[in-house]
Amino acid sequence: GENVGLHLPTLSVQEGDNSIINCAYSNSASDYFIWYKQESGKGPQFIIDIRSNMDKRQGQRVTVLLNKTVKHLSLQIAATQPGDSAVYFCAEKTTNFGNEKLTFGTGTRLTIIP
Amino acid sequence: DAGITQSPRHKVTETGTPVTLRCHQTENHRYMYWYRQDPGHGLRLIHYSYGVKDTDKGEVSDGYSVSRSKTEDFLLTLESATSSQTSVYFCAISEYSSVGGETQYFGPGTRLLVL
Repeated sequence: GENVGLHLPTLSVQEGDNSIINCAYSNSASDYFIWYKQESGKGPQFIIDIRSNMDKRQGQRVTVLLNKTVKHLSLQIAATQPGDSAVYFCAEKTTNFGNEKLTFGTGTRLTIIP
Repeated sequence: DAGITQSPRHKVTETGTPVTLRCHQTENHRYMYWYRQDPGHGLRLIHYSYGVKDTDKGEVSDGYSVSRSKTEDFLLTLESATSSQTSVYFCAISEYSSVGGETQYFGPGTRLLVL
């Protein structure tokens, strides 16, 4: 079956440095990917998304890269801040016979060291 | 926050009692979803709705039922709560993003403890 979220469970980064969070997926039929941020005690918060016909997409301090050849997705956060400490997880959307399904990874905990 | 509220935010109940969680949205979204989140698992879909009185099962629907009598409200009911249903429950709506993908936005969650 699909396997979303083969990434380190924890990542510690010095404040001001850049961080990279990775996600692997196994379903080549996935056509849309989303990154979420979840702070303790809160609901997942949409960060950025990308479609399968794109390789890269940039937002405010974040960049998502999609490598379809190796089925890999990454989230880059530039100049990390204390408020970036959270769990980050990816989601992939697959469409089969008109039925769409979002599959979520388990997440990576990012800790920003002051 | 996509105009989503959930109530209650926290609940403790006993095994065998019925529990209803409410999700309320203010932006007239057609699709609404209920997920549960447990350690070691990604979010798992319980049920979803694609309109008033239109609902369907997700991957972990056993022991849960839903109702949607109004566009703005989506109710999740545990008919007879079990300890395995201790979890954090999230409601979500879907909306098209700027790249044309149908992303989901989540509510703040309900923490349910079944003793």
